[in-house]
Amino acid sequence: KQEVTQIPAALSVPEGENLVLNCSFTDSAIYNLQWFRQDPGKGLTSLLLIQSSQREQTSGRLNASLDKSSGRSTLYIAASQPGDSATYLCAVRGTGNQFYFGTGTSLTVIP
Amino acid sequence: EAQVTQNPRYLITVTGKKLTVTCSQNMNHEYMSWYRQDPGLGLRQIYYSMNVEVTDKGDVPEGYKVSRKEKRNFPLILESPSPNQTSLYFCASSFLNIRGGYGYTFGSGTRLTVV
Repeated sequence: KQEVTQIPAALSVPEGENLVLNCSFTDSAIYNLQWFRQDPGKGLTSLLLIQSSQREQTSGRLNASLDKSSGRSTLYIAASQPGDSATYLCAVRGTGNQFYFGTGTSLTVIP
Repeated sequence: EAQVTQNPRYLITVTGKKLTVTCSQNMNHEYMSWYRQDPGLGLRQIYYSMNVEVTDKGDVPEGYKVSRKEKRNFPLILESPSPNQTSLYFCASSFLNIRGGYGYTFGSGTRLTVV
């Protein structure tokens, strides 16, 4: 069964820093990988969706990369802001159409 | 607006009183799923459905039922709720992957408390 791991579990950075969140998965047979943001007690908001044939996707200050062969993805956040504080989850979609989630990285950006 | 709608957003109930949490999507998605989220345990899948009248158990199906009579609706039923079902519940939907890769769209969540 696909296993998805996110490291670190928690991260605290001062405002303005660039940062990288990591996601690794054990089975490279995937359709895509998706990064989500979740604020406390709220729903999951999709940030970026990378297809298995793609290497990266960008949206504003966010850039996500995918190395399918090594089972890794990174989410890069440039010039972090206090409003970026949230939990970030990655999910991979297997070729059986199932989604597998990591347990998330809790990010705190200190003003 | 394309969305997944869950109702209610908040629910407090008593042990043993049957309840239904509704989920509806307006994107013509084939795939729908229910998750519960608990501190330290992450998202755990309860049930999923690949299409109308097709449902399958996820990782934690005990104590829950679902039905998929229409493509847009996927209600979650708790026949006899217990306090260990107190949790944050999410419904999600997606197209099935036939030629391309589609992502997940989530509802806003239902906070259920069973006393």
